[in-house]
Amino acid sequence: QKEVEQNSGPLSVPEGAIASLNCTYSDRGSQSFFWYRQYSGKSPELIMFIYSNGDKEDGRFTAQLNKASQYVSLLIRDSQPSDSATYLCAVNGGSQGNLIFGKGTKLSVKP
Amino acid sequence: DAMVIQNPRYQVTQFGKPVTLSCSQTLNHNVMYWYQQKSSQAPKLLFHYYDKDFNNEADTPDNFQSRRPNTSFCFLDIRSPGLGDAAMYLCATSRTSGGETQYFGPGTRLLVL
Repeated sequence: QKEVEQNSGPLSVPEGAIASLNCTYSDRGSQSFFWYRQYSGKSPELIMFIYSNGDKEDGRFTAQLNKASQYVSLLIRDSQPSDSATYLCAVNGGSQGNLIFGKGTKLSVKP
Repeated sequence: DAMVIQNPRYQVTQFGKPVTLSCSQTLNHNVMYWYQQKSSQAPKLLFHYYDKDFNNEADTPDNFQSRRPNTSFCFLDIRSPGLGDAAMYLCATSRTSGGETQYFGPGTRLLVL
């Protein structure tokens, strides 16, 4: 059974700090990695995707991928209260290569 | 704006009464997905269509069916809803399958009484 694991949290950080969200996956053949943000009662919204080892930056967000360790992370710099949400990690590896989602990490940014 | 639309946003049904959820997209994507998400859980893929090809996940109950009459529309039919089927139902699309970025609609919250 292919799996995507995330710490459910909650992860609490003060406003302005860096939030670090982590995800591990079991399928060594996975090639596509995604981070989605999901506010309570809403649907997932794409934050970033990453395909290659290393870092990918987009504004305050940085995704980091280490395929050897089967590990992907999301850093949020200068965290804002509006960043408070559940962050879902998704990795391709399901049937026909479809995405497998983790349960998500709940982030709380305190003013 | 190109988007994924789901109707209704909230659906209340009675135990055993069939219900149909609707999804439409203006992205012209080939693939449409239906997920079930319960509180504090990961979205669970029920099935997906690549164009007209229907793909059922192995553990999707027979109670759940889907139709895709054309590229833009996809329906989720729950033939006899049980209390355990109360959840958020998410429709998503992607250009192709195999790990492409998926774009989600706003979801339909289903309540079963």
